[in-house]
Amino acid sequence: AQKITQTQPGMFVQEKEAVTLDCTYDTSDPSYGLFWYKQPSSGEMIFLIYQGSYDQQNATEGRYSLNFQKARKSANLVISASQLGDSAMYFCAMRRLGVGNEKLTFGTGTRLTIIP
Amino acid sequence: KAGVTQTPRYLIKTRGQQVTLSCSPISGHRSVSWYQQTPGQGLQFLFEYFSETQRNKGNFPGRFSGRQFSNSRSEMNVSTLELGDSALYLCASSSTGGTNEQYFGPGTRLTVT
Repeated sequence: AQKITQTQPGMFVQEKEAVTLDCTYDTSDPSYGLFWYKQPSSGEMIFLIYQGSYDQQNATEGRYSLNFQKARKSANLVISASQLGDSAMYFCAMRRLGVGNEKLTFGTGTRLTIIP
Repeated sequence: KAGVTQTPRYLIKTRGQQVTLSCSPISGHRSVSWYQQTPGQGLQFLFEYFSETQRNKGNFPGRFSGRQFSNSRSEMNVSTLELGDSALYLCASSSTGGTNEQYFGPGTRLTVT
């Protein structure tokens, strides 16, 4: 079974500062993928970044980067130079890789609020 | 390239009724997954369809069902609605062709009264 833990229910960050959202996971699968999604108040889940368990480099997408520490089973999301539009819920998720393994397991999320 | 679309966006139903929600995946994506999101239970996997076949199923009662058509569009149906079925229903599509990214639609917010 897979499990995602997000220990920060809410965070307040000053605009333009960097922010790190924590995510730890547990799985016995040798090959897995880790995802971060942003959910604004409108409800849509917006894909931010993906990291494969065998990827040697940490994933980056614009202002988003994933700090992947496999031995610690952590996959923290780092947002550089935060903006007011970054205020939203953020979910960490994972799934087993391979054909037919599309099911995502989600954490409970972190509500990020950017303060002007 | 158009994203994942879901219809309707909002729905109000009465206990005991049934409801059908629709999801159109990104063009070329053949896998469609459905999730239920509630404040109490968070995001829970309902089922996944690929090439018109249910490939994975979550732990939900038989009142929740789905299907997929030859054009990859998917529908989910909930019969005999209960108050606890009030939730945001999200669908996600993926290509299953090398990339592992999954993209979500805007969701359908169902309220059962």
